[in-house]
Amino acid sequence: GQQVMQIPQYQHVQEGEDFTTYCNSSTTLSNIQWYKQRPGGHPVFLIQLVKSGEVKKQKRLTFQFGEAKKNSSLHITATQTTDVGTYFCAGREWNNDMRFGAGTRLTVKP
Amino acid sequence: NAGVTQTPKFRVLKTGQSMTLLCAQDMNHEYMYWYRQDPGMGLRLIHYSVGEGTTAKGEVPDGYNVSRLKKQNFLLGLESAAPSQTSVYFCASSLRGALEIIGYTFGSGTRLTVV
Repeated sequence: GQQVMQIPQYQHVQEGEDFTTYCNSSTTLSNIQWYKQRPGGHPVFLIQLVKSGEVKKQKRLTFQFGEAKKNSSLHITATQTTDVGTYFCAGREWNNDMRFGAGTRLTVKP
Repeated sequence: NAGVTQTPKFRVLKTGQSMTLLCAQDMNHEYMYWYRQDPGMGLRLIHYSVGEGTTAKGEVPDGYNVSRLKKQNFLLGLESAAPSQTSVYFCASSLRGALEIIGYTFGSGTRLTVV
């Protein structure tokens, strides 16, 4: 079945450093979504990518969808303490359930 | 709008007890989902519903049952709780599963401990 792998599992950065999390699927995806979960909170939708090679930006966050639609990445430029949390990718095959990655937990040292 | 509301927020059960987790959404979403979240394993889909009166199994359905008698409500039942069901449970909803463009809206979660 479909597997969505996310790396790294943990990332600790100094405030101001960049951060990247990667998501890889064993199968071709129809779309991929990214969510952020603050400590003690619930996942909050960030963005959806649909097209091969798509790149979207939200302020300091850059999201990419691979050409083969099997991988994706989230890059945060110049991290801030407000970026702390766990970032999940969620990939969907055509007409199938959406599968979440295990998440990358980001901690930021001021 | 309240979005997705889950009750209760916390619960401790003894092995073998039963309980029902309640989820209500006021966004007129067609699809609703129940996930469990365990450390290092992300979110795993238990059951989902594509509309009132319909339910389907997800990735980890064993030990759980669901019902969607009304469009706005999705109930998750544990008939005989086991320690392996200790987890954080999230309910979510979306407009239409494969066609949604705004993502899932999650409730605040229910932290369940089975002793």
